Amino acid sequence: GDSVTQKQGQVTLSEDDFLFINCTYSTTTYPTLLWYVQYLGQGPQLLLKVTTANNKGISRGFEATYDKGTTSFHLQKASVQESDSAVYFCALVLQGGRALIFGTGTTVSVSP
Amino acid sequence: AQTIHQWPVAEIKAVGSPLSLGCTIKGKSSPNLYWYWQATGGTLQQLFYSITVGQVESVVQLNLSASRPKDDQFILSTEKLLLSHSGFYLCAWSLVREEVFFGKGTRLTVV
Repeated sequence: GDSVTQKQGQVTLSEDDFLFINCTYSTTTYPTLLWYVQYLGQGPQLLLKVTTANNKGISRGFEATYDKGTTSFHLQKASVQESDSAVYFCALVLQGGRALIFGTGTTVSVSP
Repeated sequence: AQTIHQWPVAEIKAVGSPLSLGCTIKGKSSPNLYWYWQATGGTLQQLFYSITVGQVESVVQLNLSASRPKDDQFILSTEKLLLSHSGFYLCAWSLVREEVFFGKGTRLTVV
């Protein structure tokens, strides 16, 4: 069945470090993956959308890419700031948006 | 102005008591609407999906029900709360079905 796996539970960085988060997926359809950021006590905010058609999305300094060979999506940022500390979720879009399957989330902690 | 408004912001309820949570979408015509549940420190689990007024699909059974009485309103309810209902309830909307936007959520504590 359809699934998404987000193995990195916790990432600890210092300011200006490089951030890389990975999600792998399994689906029989052409995948669309969304990246969300959730700050403490708030709802998730849509950060980026990546499809097999566009292969890449860029927003707020974050870049999301798609790797067909490894059936994975990546989220990266060249230089993180303390304000980037949050939980990042990937979500696989199913049935044209009728349902989303979320990964387990990656908690990113950035120290100054 | 906010597109999506959820109410209440937080609730503390007793086991066995009824519950009603709601969200309103402003400025969007015929949005797709969703209810999600999130345990503390956990991932998001989709509960319901609605494409139009009066039509609600259940994704997972958690002794909860949902209704869409108006185009811009989505209600989540139960007649009898369980301890396991505690968590963060999130309403979401989409127009382009591959872009889903969440509200600020309702924190529910069942005691």
